[in-house]
Amino acid sequence: QKEVEQDPGPLSVPEGAIVSLNCTYSNSAFQYFMWYRQYSRKGPELLMYTYSSGNKEDGRFTAQVDKSSKYISLFIRDSQPSDSATYLCAMCGQGAQKLVFGQGTRLTINP
Amino acid sequence: DTEVTQTPKHLVMGMTNKKSLKCEQHMGHRAMYWYKQKAKKPPELMFVYSYEKLSINESVPSRFSPECPNSSLLNLHLHALQPEDSALYLCASSQGLQGRTGELFFGEGSRLTVL
Repeated sequence: QKEVEQDPGPLSVPEGAIVSLNCTYSNSAFQYFMWYRQYSRKGPELLMYTYSSGNKEDGRFTAQVDKSSKYISLFIRDSQPSDSATYLCAMCGQGAQKLVFGQGTRLTINP
Repeated sequence: DTEVTQTPKHLVMGMTNKKSLKCEQHMGHRAMYWYKQKAKKPPELMFVYSYEKLSINESVPSRFSPECPNSSLLNLHLHALQPEDSALYLCASSQGLQGRTGELFFGEGSRLTVL
């Protein structure tokens, strides 16, 4: 069993839809949870950053962490074609220098 | 635009060649990373430098040799590579101990093809 599980998709939705991306994990020591967005032929960029449990909102993006269920989510509201990318969840424990990435979900928003 | 600059963007080399990948950041970050990414896979950590000292080597073959000349620069020296080493090589940096754990800034990568 992988430490972090993420459905690779691909996921294709119409413009304006609400997108839900999810990861599950097994290591209860993880405290820092990230979502990175990677456009084709580019490096990943940090999209959302959450420490411990709870919700965080940034514009059209909301990150949720449920440590009791070992489950994290990223919601994208009013999705746009420019949101088409691969979304990677990542997490680590206190003081860790190594991130554990999910497999990444390829998302396409159709105009 | 990314603040981590990688050169070259593309590199084609034979199995007997010696080449280097270069990475530069001017954000004052004290930790720098090399990742390898194959198509449709997440990045895989190779090396971490913290305060210019190698702190993590993920059992990478010796044909990959990292170097951190100063706090802004990171090199990856390549020698006698195999075709399966063809991948996107990503450099990243972070603030280190004073920064947010896990917050990495990635460059755009160097796409390597080994013939």
